[in-house]
Amino acid sequence: DAKTTQPPSMDCAEGRAANLPCNHSTISGNEYVYWYRQIHSQGPQYIIHGLKNNETNEMASLIITEDRKSSTLILPHATLRDTAVYYCIVPNTDKLIFGTGTRLQVFP
Amino acid sequence: EADIYQTPRYLVIGTGKKITLECSQTMGHDKMYWYQQDPGMELHLIHYSYGVNSTEKGDLSSESTVSRIRTEHFPLTLESARPSHTSQYLCASSDQTRALYGYTFGSGTRLTVV
Repeated sequence: DAKTTQPPSMDCAEGRAANLPCNHSTISGNEYVYWYRQIHSQGPQYIIHGLKNNETNEMASLIITEDRKSSTLILPHATLRDTAVYYCIVPNTDKLIFGTGTRLQVFP
Repeated sequence: EADIYQTPRYLVIGTGKKITLECSQTMGHDKMYWYQQDPGMELHLIHYSYGVNSTEKGDLSSESTVSRIRTEHFPLTLESARPSHTSQYLCASSDQTRALYGYTFGSGTRLTVV
């Protein structure tokens, strides 16, 4: 898998936007960026994915730089329930391999 | 509304016992996976299957074994449990069309070997 680098932890105030960065400088042209999150010890949950265009769904937005070497997951109005570990994954196989992710703490 | 079920949720067992962790899904997914996660640590893929009679080892070496006799069922077995096997085991499945963004995870089995 293309290597991804994420900050180990971040804080965000409730109601504010949470911007979670991910570096994937070795990504190749046809590799997608996937984001999952894991709340406490539950199974990971899919959030969003993209190739080169920005993407938005009901959960989040994904901004991918033009050179595709980095991306940012945006939770526009973070709530306490968004406290979780967020994983940025660039797989080059047909299986998800999770790294260490970013532990996002949303505080009141 | 989980369509993938793992049993038991919690298991405390003595060293040397044989155990089987159950995983079943009702979505007709061909692909199924087992991940292992120690508290506060990374998820590691230990086994996967592309369909009936297909099983492969994942990126993390594991003493466990798996079988896939039916599409919906993907049990994981430890022949002789040891304290080092204490961990959480998460099962997942995905279908061909949604692939990497269509993973559905079970609630996990938290195993403690004493």
